[in-house]
Amino acid sequence: QSALAQPASVSGSPGQSITMSCFGSSSDIGGYNYVSWYQQHPGNAPKLIIHDVSYRPTGVSTRFSGSKSGNAASLTISGLQAEDEASYYCSSFTLSGAYVFGTGTRVTVL
Amino acid sequence: QAQLVQSGADVKKPGASVKISCKASAYTFSNFPIHWVRQAPGQWLEWMGWINGGNGNTKYSRRFQDRVTISRDTSANTVNLEVTSLTSGDTAVYFCARGDSNGWGTWGQGTLVTVSS
Repeated sequence: QSALAQPASVSGSPGQSITMSCFGSSSDIGGYNYVSWYQQHPGNAPKLIIHDVSYRPTGVSTRFSGSKSGNAASLTISGLQAEDEASYYCSSFTLSGAYVFGTGTRVTVL
Repeated sequence: QAQLVQSGADVKKPGASVKISCKASAYTFSNFPIHWVRQAPGQWLEWMGWINGGNGNTKYSRRFQDRVTISRDTSANTVNLEVTSLTSGDTAVYFCARGDSNGWGTWGQGTLVTVSS
């Protein structure tokens, strides 16, 4: 199972909205609504920010939103803030019963 | 609040094995699966496998299934990850994480394993 494909980096100015994609196949993203997104600051454990494609866990900012179309998923951060500067990883359940992560996107706040 | 606490950093020689523990607290251990994820230096997250906290059933990534064993000790609310035949490519931070609603909402602090001769 190859890693899901994500752009290496995305940047934006404070207050702007940014969107990052996560590309998979019909055997993972396209086949299940089990896509999750994680935020990871350097030296820290990942933090769950989206599960089941578009659901936010309690306590996660409403500025984070997720969606899916076909074999691709997307994460949007609206009202970009300095604290959003981190790496973001998508993940999906797969046909084989395993899970797979994306290659990660580094978000830079200009 | 649910918490996962992992064992400390370890240094191993190539060919050796390593065992990492993940102790759960503040929730019913048998109600949730525990997953293991690793991250090599500067690399992305990599899913390794998981264990059902209730019945102990396991599922491994094909990439690791020949070298990895995940086990649980229900009396100690602990899950263990053992990796055998270590190489320098296994140098990474290893995380345990609790499965919640098709996401991993609670994570351990991570355990750095360094493989070096």
